[in-house]
Amino acid sequence: KAGVTQTPRYLIKTRGQQVTLSCSPISGHRSVSWYQQTPGQGLQFLFEYFSETQRNKGNFPGRFSGRQFSNSRSEMNVSTLELGDSALYLCASSLTGQSNQPQHFGDGTRLSIL
Amino acid sequence: AQTVTQSQPEMSVQEAETVTLSCTYDTSESDYYLFWYKQPPSRQMILVIRQEAYKQQNATENRFSVNFQKAAKSFSLKISDSQLGDAAMYFCAYRSYGAGSYQLTFGKGTKLSVIP
Repeated sequence: KAGVTQTPRYLIKTRGQQVTLSCSPISGHRSVSWYQQTPGQGLQFLFEYFSETQRNKGNFPGRFSGRQFSNSRSEMNVSTLELGDSALYLCASSLTGQSNQPQHFGDGTRLSIL
Repeated sequence: AQTVTQSQPEMSVQEAETVTLSCTYDTSESDYYLFWYKQPPSRQMILVIRQEAYKQQNATENRFSVNFQKAAKSFSLKISDSQLGDAAMYFCAYRSYGAGSYQLTFGKGTKLSVIP
């Protein structure tokens, strides 16, 4: 069974641009969560989607948005990029997102802002 | 809000020895889940072990075991017979129990080095 797939693996952007990251969950998984990982702040929750609906959102500005498609694939978008958005963005999937289900992570997208 | 604290930014262990990584957390909830995740240089977060707070028995997965002290809000990870492949960042994480809880709260991590 294929794992969680995140594309692209690396991305370089400049300030003010926007970026879209993609996450394909494990087949059959309908819950997708996104996390931002930085050396200073550690791992922080961005949002969670289930059946194309955002159920929970972390404490991030509105420049961070996401969506989920009917095949459970998810994208996150960051607009008006800032230097502080440089981070590893991790996606995790689970069957339905219930708390007793383990979350399976992808390899992440490393975003660098110049 | 829940918080997770890992007080050891870095640790090292000799190959084949035992090492214990510390984690404390703060919560007002009585039911929850605790996790240890491993993140090697390949970046993928791998679930090492999981503990349900309502279970008294400490979880064990092969060479990995936990010491869960609910009253003290402590959740340490013991790695026995350490191997070179255990070298990684280890994150302790908390998740609330029940509907509406969709996020993991992570500690800042402990970087474990294994000395041959």
